[in-house]
Amino acid sequence: GIQVEQSPPDLILQEGANSTLRCNFSDSVNNLQWFHQNPWGQLINLFYIPSGTKQNGRLSATTVATERYSLLYISSSQTTDSGVYFCAVEQNNDMRFGAGTRLTVKP
Amino acid sequence: KAGVTQTPRYLIKTRGQQVTLSCSPISGHRSVSWYQQTPGQGLQFLFEYFSETQRNKGNFPGRFSGRQFSNSRSEMNVSTLELGDSALYLCASKPGQGSGYTFGSGTRLTVV
Repeated sequence: GIQVEQSPPDLILQEGANSTLRCNFSDSVNNLQWFHQNPWGQLINLFYIPSGTKQNGRLSATTVATERYSLLYISSSQTTDSGVYFCAVEQNNDMRFGAGTRLTVKP
Repeated sequence: KAGVTQTPRYLIKTRGQQVTLSCSPISGHRSVSWYQQTPGQGLQFLFEYFSETQRNKGNFPGRFSGRQFSNSRSEMNVSTLELGDSALYLCASKPGQGSGYTFGSGTRLTVV
């Protein structure tokens, strides 16, 4: 099946810093999403981005489907950005998740 | 518009018992997927349903089963529970192709 790799696995930032999270995948996909998992376990959809670039406030994402990677940018990080960020890719109605990046933003 | 609703939120069961979890998708969403999340294995795909048909299934034993009803609501069942089935079970729905999934809050199952 399709492999999804996220890097880095852990990231510690000072409040106000910028960061880039990466997702590599091993095959062509129909769908790619970035999620933030809150402390209660719910996955919050950040971006549906099978290709191209999108921005939402301090967050933006870029997917280069031909090169099989996606990037999530977080600018001016806040303590509330802490948590685990997952990349998920879908191929033939089967969605696979990466292992996630655990982000800690310190005040 | 109501989100994806999963019930119950928490559940404690004994080894050997069976359990049924419920998922009500967003109105109009016909695709429902289920995932298991554990600290050791991460998020793993269980199965996906569309219009009452299972279109794909992950690598789980036959003790894990599911179904989807005509109103798109879905249930998953785990029989003969094992300690290793303790996990957060997440359900997600989407309208169809070309759109992203919305997740529910999950059901946290503990097997003792």
